[in-house]
Amino acid sequence: QSVLTQPPSASGTPGQRVTISCSGSSSNIGSNTVSWYQHLPGTAPKLLIYTNNQRPSGVPDRFSGSKSGTSASLAISGLRSEDEADYYCAAWDDSLKGWVFGGGTKVTVL
Amino acid sequence: DVQLVETGGGLMQPGGSLRLSCAASGFIVSSTNMIWVRQAPAKGLEWVSIFYSGGSTYYADSVKGRFTISTDNSNNTLYLQMNSLRAEDTAVYYCARELRFFAVGKSYYMDVWGKGTTVTVSS
Repeated sequence: QSVLTQPPSASGTPGQRVTISCSGSSSNIGSNTVSWYQHLPGTAPKLLIYTNNQRPSGVPDRFSGSKSGTSASLAISGLRSEDEADYYCAAWDDSLKGWVFGGGTKVTVL
Repeated sequence: DVQLVETGGGLMQPGGSLRLSCAASGFIVSSTNMIWVRQAPAKGLEWVSIFYSGGSTYYADSVKGRFTISTDNSNNTLYLQMNSLRAEDTAVYYCARELRFFAVGKSYYMDVWGKGTTVTVSS
């Protein structure tokens, strides 16, 4: 049972927009910023979004993030086949004094 | 180029010990916060431990008292000493660099990750 709650799966056809939600509490998302990671099995997780809505250099602007209160979301617009991966939200938890992650959302491009 | 490479994984019996290494290049491990994260089979990511640049360490409750995180400045490497291993410690273990900024509120995130090393605990 992950501290942050994400839907287990999401899907869309090429070109569509997919949104992934991430729900937490006052001690994590409510108090700290959210980051998102893209993960393919056997590879290093990749930072996709930091500080709620900032993209690192090299991440396409098709990826966007937002946060409101104790929830956050990741949107992928113009869905492409290479976007098929697992996506995780994460935040620092002030009560646990550690990182908490969502359970991951597997994105499938139909 | 900034890079992390984990090694040291393997097959261990319950109760055994193992030391994971995370070799860093392109930055100084001791000058930043470093973390270990693991992913059990068919599960999501789980935070394991953090080593602060100031030397403080914190652990997830699931490994507290059994795992020890440390760094070696001479070879720019992060370690995770794992004792009293259990079947539930079976996972891919990743190390990552954690950054913290306080310009607008608290901004924490992991910007560099390794590809992971696999630990299997089974009799």
